[in-house]
Amino acid sequence: SQQGEEDPQALSIQEGENATMNCSYKTSINNLQWYRQNSGRGLVHLILIRSNEREKHSGRLRVTLDTSKKSSSLLITASRAADTASYFCATDWGMDSNYQLIWGAGTKLIIKP
Amino acid sequence: NAGVTQTPKFRVLKTGQSMTLLCAQDMNHEYMYWYRQDPGMGLRLIHYSVGEGTTAKGEVPDGYNVSRLKKQNFLLGLESAAPSQTSVYFCASSYSIQNEQFFGPGTRLTVL
Repeated sequence: SQQGEEDPQALSIQEGENATMNCSYKTSINNLQWYRQNSGRGLVHLILIRSNEREKHSGRLRVTLDTSKKSSSLLITASRAADTASYFCATDWGMDSNYQLIWGAGTKLIIKP
Repeated sequence: NAGVTQTPKFRVLKTGQSMTLLCAQDMNHEYMYWYRQDPGMGLRLIHYSVGEGTTAKGEVPDGYNVSRLKKQNFLLGLESAAPSQTSVYFCASSYSIQNEQFFGPGTRLTVL
């Protein structure tokens, strides 16, 4: 019952290059969130974008949302070795007392020095 | 502030044994969640709580029970562990249902 699916599953780029990850979802949402997970650790929130927003920035991160295509992208500019991690999108599902975040399987990003 | 903490960090159980995972948060969040993460998959919600004394089922609740007796604590119980419950368990909390979630470091559980 995955709502969000990331693409690609894995991405390997050189340090300094830009990294783009995509997330597609199936049903209408109120918001979409991106999280980062370093190996063996808990997830860390990056950005939340609401359904009435089209683009959001945070430092080197840029998130876009296209509700007509039910998709979002996360762009990391000028990548660094420390950006090596898995990135997950999460979309809200349900309403009232049965509200949940549904998570994709993630994109594993490797930054080569 | 410690944020969200989980105990224990690692545990090995034999099939049929029981255990309780403890999650604590010091951010005064109403909402708390238990997830499991299996290799190559995203997080799957087991149970969640929208406030002290309330709990609700998530996507994969079978084989687990939870309790939220105090606002800052959320306990996850396995009454009779099975090998299929081998996973990494994450606890999270949030201010409201549509705000960012703060995660604990995880508990790696192996059931033999």
